[in-house]
Amino acid sequence: DAKTTQPTSMDCAEGRAANLPCNHSTISGNEYVYWYRQIHSQGPQYIIHGLKNNETNEMASLIITEDRKSSTLILPHATLRDTAVYYCIVGRGKSTFGDGTTLTVKP
Amino acid sequence: DTAVSQTPKYLVTQMGNDKSIKCEQNLGHDTMYWYKQDSKKFLKIMFSYNNKELIINETVPNRFSPKSPDKAHLNLHINSLELGDSAVYFCASSLGQGGLSSSYNSPLHFGNGTRLTVT
Repeated sequence: DAKTTQPTSMDCAEGRAANLPCNHSTISGNEYVYWYRQIHSQGPQYIIHGLKNNETNEMASLIITEDRKSSTLILPHATLRDTAVYYCIVGRGKSTFGDGTTLTVKP
Repeated sequence: DTAVSQTPKYLVTQMGNDKSIKCEQNLGHDTMYWYKQDSKKFLKIMFSYNNKELIINETVPNRFSPKSPDKAHLNLHINSLELGDSAVYFCASSLGQGGLSSSYNSPLHFGNGTRLTVT
């Protein structure tokens, strides 16, 4: 599985869009990009995943660059409950999770 | 409710004891996993079972032994507990375990964790 790089932390104002970047420059052609989040010490929660095309679901949007070497998770209207650690995983999605990005949504 | 459930939620025990953590999923998934999250919050895979067969076994001490009686259950037994075993253990499941099958992109579903404290 390819390695990912994410910023350690980010802040976002409540109601604004939160854009979380992820670099995965060693991604292979058949590897998916997955995003999970972990709120407090709960179990990680699946958010979204994609291969090449941009994806959207009820939680978020995923934008993958054309060369697939990076992606951005977008929470369109962040709420205080979106404060969590966000993990970007590449590959089978069944490997060790890195440090992730701690997103803090502020009122 | 469809979910991945783990028991117990909290486990406090003394060094040298043997303990088990149970995990069950009713999502119809065929692959289950154990992850360990230590105090630094790093979430590391330990084991993976597909249809009761071990497919991933990371560098984990022999004191840890997973057991899968059927594809809906994956229990974790730990012998001779040590202080360093203190962590939160998460069970997860998915449909398929990789490769180019149609379920290759199936995401993970996690339980809410078991906080193990060894004193």
